[in-house]
Order: sequence, then C-alpha cells, then structure tokens
Amino acid sequence: GQNIDQPTEMTATEGAIVQINCTYQTSGFNGLFWYQQHAGEAPTFLSYNVLDGLEEKGRFSSFLSRSKGYSYLLLKELQMKDSASYLCAVSDSNYQLIWGAGTKLIIKP
Amino acid sequence: DTGVSQNPRHKITKRGQNVTFRCDPISEHNRLYWYRQTLGQGPEFLTYFQNEAQLEKSRLLSDRFSAERPKGSFSTLEIQRTEQGDSAMYLCASSPESDLPNEKLFFGSGTQLSVL
Repeated sequence: GQNIDQPTEMTATEGAIVQINCTYQTSGFNGLFWYQQHAGEAPTFLSYNVLDGLEEKGRFSSFLSRSKGYSYLLLKELQMKDSASYLCAVSDSNYQLIWGAGTKLIIKP
Repeated sequence: DTGVSQNPRHKITKRGQNVTFRCDPISEHNRLYWYRQTLGQGPEFLTYFQNEAQLEKSRLLSDRFSAERPKGSFSTLEIQRTEQGDSAMYLCASSPESDLPNEKLFFGSGTQLSVL
C-alpha cells in the first residue's frame, strides 16, 4: 500500500528552528509537496521537491532524499503565525497526490 | 482574482437528505479537484476534472456522490442520502493547465458538512 508518515504534533518556541519530517512509501514518485494549513482554512502551497537536495525559500526550506523515501520541512526564526498544520504529499506514478495526515505545529512564546 | 470560491461555507443536514456544494475555480485554471478532509487527517481525493471532462474518480467514492463541471468552469458536488459518516470538510482545488504534470494546487476554504 501507499503510505505517508509524519509526526502528529510538534511544539517549538518563537524565534527557534523546527524540522518536520516526512517518510513515504508510494508506487512511483513524481515529486513531493509541502502545504501549510491554518485551522479552519484551506491548505496553501509551500514547496515542491522532485530532485534530491535542499530547496530554500525565505524562512522555509525543504529537503528530499529519494533513495531514503524521506523529506523534511525546516522552518527558521519561528513566528506565532507559523502555528498551523503542515501537510506532506507525494505525487505517485499516476501523478495522483498521496497525502499525509499532517503535523500540527504549536509555537509557544 | 479572488481565488477559489466555495459555497456554502457550512452545511448542516439531516441523515438521508441530499446536499449540493459549489466550487468556482480560478478563472484561467483548467484542472479542478474535489477532496474530503476530516479532522486530523490529510485531504482524501474524490474526483478530478480537466475542463468539463471528469477524468478520474476515487474507487472509494460511493455511488451516492456525483460531481459535474458542465461548462468547464464551476463545479458542483452532490451527495445523495447523506450519512453521518459523510460529515467532513469538502475542499475544492484548481490548477492551471501546463506541460508540467505536477502543478501546485490552489484550494478553496471548503464546505464543512455536518450530518445529524
């Protein structure tokens, strides 16, 4: 079967750095997405990785290792507004998106 | 452009009733998706349109669910004879047509369905 694993919940302090991990087992791989979802709101696109390595975009970076079936989202200089759920999604061999359950990130002052 | 619009935002219905939701995608987007999401879970794929053609439908989708996109613009999702298990957030997303098979999705704010 196809499976995406991410921690259910993480807590971090304002101003700090946090890394949210995602491991996947899918039938084929055509890229990995990270989305942010605030409570009661729509998911919004953060990043897309299809090749191994690190993609940096401001305070957010995303890393991919295809051989390990592993990705992480790195958030730096955390702000209170970063409190949200972070969803990992993999595009499989049919370009169908397989979604993880999301990681709820709680930021404390 | 105001993004993807969904109506209504909330719907409360009694078990056995039919409900219909509407999605207006971003105007130049050809691809339209319907997802369902329950609390603490990721979105679950329901169906996908390219223009007016429904190209894919989840095998998990009951016959009680039907979706249309008659003119390739807005879409409707109907659930007949609702059950309590249908209670969820129904999300619509759109993406532009391009040569790339993977395009980021733009989601609407969803319709929260509660079946009593």
